[in-house]
Amino acid sequence: SYELTQPPSVSVSPGQTAIITCSGDKLGDKYVCWYQQRPGQSPVLVIFQDNKRPSGIPERFSGSNSGNTATLTISGTQSMDEADYYCQASDTSVVFGGGTKLTVL
Amino acid sequence: QVHLVQSGAEVEKPGSSVKVSCKASGGTFHSYGVSWVRQAPGQGLEWMGAIIPIFNTTHYAHNFQGRVTITTDESTGTAYMELSSLKSEDTAVYYCARTSQPSYYMDVWGKGTTVTVSS
Repeated sequence: SYELTQPPSVSVSPGQTAIITCSGDKLGDKYVCWYQQRPGQSPVLVIFQDNKRPSGIPERFSGSNSGNTATLTISGTQSMDEADYYCQASDTSVVFGGGTKLTVL
Repeated sequence: QVHLVQSGAEVEKPGSSVKVSCKASGGTFHSYGVSWVRQAPGQGLEWMGAIIPIFNTTHYAHNFQGRVTITTDESTGTAYMELSSLKSEDTAVYYCARTSQPSYYMDVWGKGTTVTVSS
């Protein structure tokens, strides 16, 4: 079955750029989306179809996808961005990455 | 704007079944699909399956084949997920989410329903 791999954790200082990766075989051939989940809350879609932002998502969130790696970039990271982030793609089924805990310190 | 309102928490015994509902408030599922995703305590997200009402099709994750049934009642704008042969490992928060094709991204989520499986 298809697998997506994310780093368990990423740390960033406030105002800096956070980069979260998601790896999978020929991932660039598929659409990738990203979700943010704060503790105790439902996931929120922040990027869909590789690089599109839903209405209401700040411009500091951006995405890219090429080769075997998709990337979520958060520019000018704020303390409110501290959360778990999950990538998701579709192959023969829908697959989530294991999640990355973003710490802003 | 569509909100998804899920049914309340459930406590079930091993071997039994649970049925969770998800009602679209302020809109309908119409041309969208509905996915069900679960999250065990302290764990990540796990997709269980989806229904695409406009095509009357369902798609289940391999791990849940034969144990999960996803349906919709379009007259009430409600989706349902039934999971059978419950085990303690099925203890989790179960989310419904509006799903867009073809990439199955999920743009509206319910608040989740906690299902506890315990003897």
